Amino acid sequence: NAGVTQTPKFRVLKTGQSMTLLCAQDMNHEYMYWYRQDPGMGLRLIHYSVGEGTTAKGEVPDGYNVSRLKKQNFLLGLESAAPSQTSVYFCASYNTISPRPGQGSGNTIYFGEGSWLTVV
Amino acid sequence: AQSVTQLGSHVSVSEGALVLLRCNYSSSVPPYLFWYVQYPNQGLQLLLKYTTGATLVKGINGFEAEFKKSETSFHLTKPSAHMSDAAEYFCAVSGAFADKLIFGTGTRLQVFP
Repeated sequence: NAGVTQTPKFRVLKTGQSMTLLCAQDMNHEYMYWYRQDPGMGLRLIHYSVGEGTTAKGEVPDGYNVSRLKKQNFLLGLESAAPSQTSVYFCASYNTISPRPGQGSGNTIYFGEGSWLTVV
Repeated sequence: AQSVTQLGSHVSVSEGALVLLRCNYSSSVPPYLFWYVQYPNQGLQLLLKYTTGATLVKGINGFEAEFKKSETSFHLTKPSAHMSDAAEYFCAVSGAFADKLIFGTGTRLQVFP
């Protein structure tokens, strides 16, 4: 099935450890995003990418890095995890206005299932 | 720049009652507006969206929203609440092409029997 897949789904890290979250989409979308969700704060945009090889900062980029080496993948890295980065992370991808079959409906951002990260 | 304000972090209704979740937006360009629903421990599912055209938008599960430019609002309604509607609802705004969503802080809907 077409969609956005995130791995891992759950992870516990110690302060100072590093890790990478992987997001993969099979809908040939140009735009991809990483959000974090915290209680009472909704979803906040960390970084995003408007195409292969490009990345840009969102609302809360500090402490994170991203890479988009392949169009279908968008990686979120934590170089030195901190307890403040305990959160649920959502990846998303965006469809062009005139989608081809199998690419979902137009003007819609599709979300993954989420990755629960705890930093102790 | 865009922003969204959702009025009321918690809303409680009885089963069969009207559901009204409020959303006001700010945007320097014509907005694209969205409502997403999130069930516990799950991702976000698109309920409905407004891009251009008809200002009354119908979505899934009987929900609808009306874009009112003069009031900068995009409130979500459902005539009769069902127990299965209990979830968290997020309003979001973007500029043209919906290429970067800015979310509100969410409203948790509780439905009582």
